[in-house]
Amino acid sequence: DGGITQSPKYLFRKEGQNVTLSCEQNLNHDAMYWYRQDPGQGLRLIYYSQIVNDFQKGDIAEGYSVSREKKESFPLTVTSAQKNPTAFYLCASSEQGAETQYFGPGTRLLVL
Amino acid sequence: DAKTTQPPSMDCAEGRAANLPCNHSTISGNEYVYWYRQIHSQGPQYIIHGLKNNETNEMASLIITEDRKSSTLILPHATLRDTAVYYCIVRDTGANSKLTFGKGITLSVRP
Repeated sequence: DGGITQSPKYLFRKEGQNVTLSCEQNLNHDAMYWYRQDPGQGLRLIYYSQIVNDFQKGDIAEGYSVSREKKESFPLTVTSAQKNPTAFYLCASSEQGAETQYFGPGTRLLVL
Repeated sequence: DAKTTQPPSMDCAEGRAANLPCNHSTISGNEYVYWYRQIHSQGPQYIIHGLKNNETNEMASLIITEDRKSSTLILPHATLRDTAVYYCIVRDTGANSKLTFGKGITLSVRP
């Protein structure tokens, strides 16, 4: 049963803490993406990776970090430098250069 | 910088066709039109895409005008489960091309 999994579904963070969101895919896709969505808004690209051990900043990378040590995994760390981290975070993957991105179910991050 | 404009919302009756418009007047020759939808609190789902010709799949039909400056997504028989935000996106097919999501159009299907 192929797809993209994100965990956890809900995540709570205290101010000043770093937190890591998980994204795993078994679709054998080369490219993976992280998006942020605020209420009533579209998706904004945080980071993307076209291949293992390589990634690029998206439109709103400040306060976030990623790694791509394995093809199937692309974790996102929300650092304490991100001043407004409360949002819905979505991970996606696609074949290299392909038109279609497949999205995970998302993680909703709340700052306490 | 949005390349597409969509009305904020529309509704239709269950069982009727839903016609969702999108304007992309600055589209260039190598850019495709994509449609995704997002049901509340879920990840977006790919629906369909096209370049010049009209396209149809099991989910929807995509009608692109001859000048390619606008398009319409058609859900032929809308159901309550089609209630979602629908995003029209223009994208070229370069290896590093990214999807840019605007606010989309909220479709409400009423019983």
